Amino acid sequence: GQNIDQPTEMTATEGAIVQINCTYQTSGFNGLFWYQQHAGEAPTFLSYNVLDGLEEKGRFSSFLSRSKGYSYLLLKELQMKDSASYLCAVRADSNYQLIWGAGTKLIIKP
Amino acid sequence: ETGVTQTPRHLVMGMTNKKSLKCEQHLGHNAMYWYKQSAKKPLELMFVYSLEERVENNSVPSRFSPECPNSSHLFLHLHTLQPEDSALYLCASSRRGVGGNYGYTFGSGTRLTVV
Repeated sequence: GQNIDQPTEMTATEGAIVQINCTYQTSGFNGLFWYQQHAGEAPTFLSYNVLDGLEEKGRFSSFLSRSKGYSYLLLKELQMKDSASYLCAVRADSNYQLIWGAGTKLIIKP
Repeated sequence: ETGVTQTPRHLVMGMTNKKSLKCEQHLGHNAMYWYKQSAKKPLELMFVYSLEERVENNSVPSRFSPECPNSSHLFLHLHTLQPEDSALYLCASSRRGVGGNYGYTFGSGTRLTVV
């Protein structure tokens, strides 16, 4: 079957660094996405990885290891506004549909 | 605004009511989706329309009825819902058949409460 696992909730301190992990078991692989979702709002696109390695975009970076079925989202210099849920999603084939994890709720404390 | 507009933002309905959710996108996308989001659960794909044809229906109860009159508009018609149908309903759009960095653009969702 298709499965994506990520921690349910994490807590971090303002100004610190946090890493949110995502592991996946899917029938194929054609890209991994990270989305951010603030409470009551739409998920918004953060990053996309299809090749192994690290993609950096400002304070956010995303890493992928296809052989391990593993990705992480790294958030640096945490701000209170980073408190949100972070969703990991995999496109399993050349189709356009995504398989979603349940999301990780990140709580930032002063 | 994300480029995908959903209305209404909030909806409270009785189990005998009939209501409709509306979604609109003008991003030039050719696939549209309805998702159900419940607390602490993955997004549940309900329906997919590609080029105005329904291409997937994930065993959704018949009390949910989708309609896609054109590539920019998507509706979800609701009737005789149950309390367990209370959730956030998200519309999304994407480009079909294109790999690469083409994920979804989501609407802000409709928070549905069935009483």
